[in-house]
Amino acid sequence: DAGVIQSPRHEVTEMGQEVTLRCKPISGHNSLFWYRQTMMRGLELLIYFNNNVPIDDSGMPEDRFSAKMPNASFSTLKIQPSEPRDSAVYFCASSPDRYTDTQYFGPGTRLTVL
Amino acid sequence: DQQVKQNSPSLSVQEGRISILNCDYTNSMFDYFLWYKKYPAEGPTFLISISSIKDKNEDGRFTVFLNKSAKHLSLHIVPSQPGDSAVYFCAASLGGTYKYIFGTGTRLKVLA
Repeated sequence: DAGVIQSPRHEVTEMGQEVTLRCKPISGHNSLFWYRQTMMRGLELLIYFNNNVPIDDSGMPEDRFSAKMPNASFSTLKIQPSEPRDSAVYFCASSPDRYTDTQYFGPGTRLTVL
Repeated sequence: DQQVKQNSPSLSVQEGRISILNCDYTNSMFDYFLWYKKYPAEGPTFLISISSIKDKNEDGRFTVFLNKSAKHLSLHIVPSQPGDSAVYFCAASLGGTYKYIFGTGTRLKVLA
């Protein structure tokens, strides 16, 4: 099992540019989560998908952030335009269903916005 | 405002001794708690969980204790090993749902 795959692992961009982060969940998992990790706030849930449908996007910080899940094996998190305060590590996680107690995290994408 | 707090950003322990990581929460409605471990350049991995109907859950060297009246949980690692050196996150949820509220993490260093 390859686990959750995220790309790129590192992204450095300039303020105002569009950033797209990618995630491939574990095959067969129905739930997908995007998290952001910062020193000050720890891990924060941004958005949750179940069966490819966004269920809870209350954690998305503002309209500059958007997420899609066009099929069961792929999801994107887009920031447009990016700002320096978006610099963080972004994790994607998946789980077999919404009630399991285990979410499986990918290795994360470290984003730096200059 | 942080609903789940890990007030110790770091902890150092000698190999073979006990490591105690602490976590406090503010919402008394939380009924499910988890600990995740994170190594550098990797995603967090699930370690152990506890339901609010219990006050202790044990898995090998890892034990989680829950004190509902104090809104406090702790993770005990006995004996500590150098491979346990990692960042530990506690998390809480309502109704065992997907929505985990994570703390900011505690970096544990186990000295050989």
